[in-house]
Amino acid sequence: KAGVTQTPRYLIKTRGQQVTLSCSPISGHRSVSWYQQTPGQGLQFLFEYFSETQRNKGNFPGRFSGRQFSNSRSEMNVSTLELGDSALYLCASSSGGTSNSYEQYFGPGTRLTVT
Amino acid sequence: AQSVTQLGSHVSVSEGALVLLRCNYSSSVPPYLFWYVQYPNQGLQLLLKYTTGATLVKGINGFEAEFKKSETSFHLTKPSAHMSDAAEYFCAVSDRGNNRLAFGKGNQVVVIP
Repeated sequence: KAGVTQTPRYLIKTRGQQVTLSCSPISGHRSVSWYQQTPGQGLQFLFEYFSETQRNKGNFPGRFSGRQFSNSRSEMNVSTLELGDSALYLCASSSGGTSNSYEQYFGPGTRLTVT
Repeated sequence: AQSVTQLGSHVSVSEGALVLLRCNYSSSVPPYLFWYVQYPNQGLQLLLKYTTGATLVKGINGFEAEFKKSETSFHLTKPSAHMSDAAEYFCAVSDRGNNRLAFGKGNQVVVIP
């Protein structure tokens, strides 16, 4: 099975712009979660989508949003970028509905740099 | 809310020596517990997990961890360090039936030849 894929791998944006990141989960997985990783704050949960519905949400401002499509692919959007949004954004997928639903598999991440 | 404590951001270990990474969590009920490893410029790879049953769990690459409810701990060990073990290790917890992971700050492991 192919793993979790994230595109693009690297992005450079300017303050005030918006950005969209994409995540394709493992085939058959219905849950997609997003995490932000920074040197200062570490790994922080952004949100989780399951069957096109947001199921969990972390403590991030409304500038961070996401969605999930019927094929389970997910996108996250950050509007009005700030310097502090520079981070590695990780996507994780899990089956979401079986006995192994707690196992999350991570993609390689998208490195976002805001200048 | 769940929280995880990993002490010692950088851990140096000699090749062939024991690797011990400590993890303590705060939770009113036993959560699901995980250890992940991250190599440079890569995502996270699941090393092992505890959900229920046997408290000593074995994972990939010779790692194991023991869940101790009385100590709210889930320490990671490997009997003999290998150069390829140099990476960053994260302990994580989630509520049962919930995919929201809370991570510790991580341990950067350096293996000295």
